[in-house]
Amino acid sequence: ETGVTQSPTHLIKTRGQQVTLRCSSQSGHNTVSWYQQALGQGPQFIFQYYREEENGRGNFPPRFSGLQFPNYSSELNVNALELDDSALYLCASRSGGAYEQYFGPGTRLTVT
Amino acid sequence: DAKTTQPPSMDCAEGRAANLPCNHSTISGNEYVYWYRQIHSQGPQYIIHGLKNNETNEMASLIITEDRKSSTLILPHATLRDTAVYYCIVRVVTSGTYKYIFGTGTRLKVLA
Repeated sequence: ETGVTQSPTHLIKTRGQQVTLRCSSQSGHNTVSWYQQALGQGPQFIFQYYREEENGRGNFPPRFSGLQFPNYSSELNVNALELDDSALYLCASRSGGAYEQYFGPGTRLTVT
Repeated sequence: DAKTTQPPSMDCAEGRAANLPCNHSTISGNEYVYWYRQIHSQGPQYIIHGLKNNETNEMASLIITEDRKSSTLILPHATLRDTAVYYCIVRVVTSGTYKYIFGTGTRLKVLA
């Protein structure tokens, strides 16, 4: 049991819409990362938040943005959805200097 | 961005050791090797990590070659529940951000 939870489990949106995905980190973890996993592929790093600030980003456009709150829960926002945004979105949390990060179960987003 | 290459699939008989290879020939000196596994599109589960020494924990052993260009994950006595996609990952550190670079993984099937 990782303790990382995500909501919703599944979501269907239309191209051009905006979506917000939520993650509740494991207790005591102040660092959260978001990943996009397309079908049949490994997870791709989107960005990382540490103490409410983004401190690292992968190769994703600015329409992917995020927030981390004082209680270390976080959000991933995607604007102007495209069909290729259909994927499993994973968040992972860890404490600052820890080696292991713990993944949530993911949110499956389908864009039609 | 890909830093690891793995065979796409492997089979292993139940009770036998499963040896999963990974090539990471471009790894840098301070970059760790991690292994995670993913079952049925759930969130990836941490298995083990290492820098240059061999490592062992209750789940698996990690053998890293002396030149660090490749490694092998060993599940000593595979069970049916070990059927999953196994990802070999390089953790890159950039400006204090830990970025986990996933490959496409090896789909391990444990056969009864």
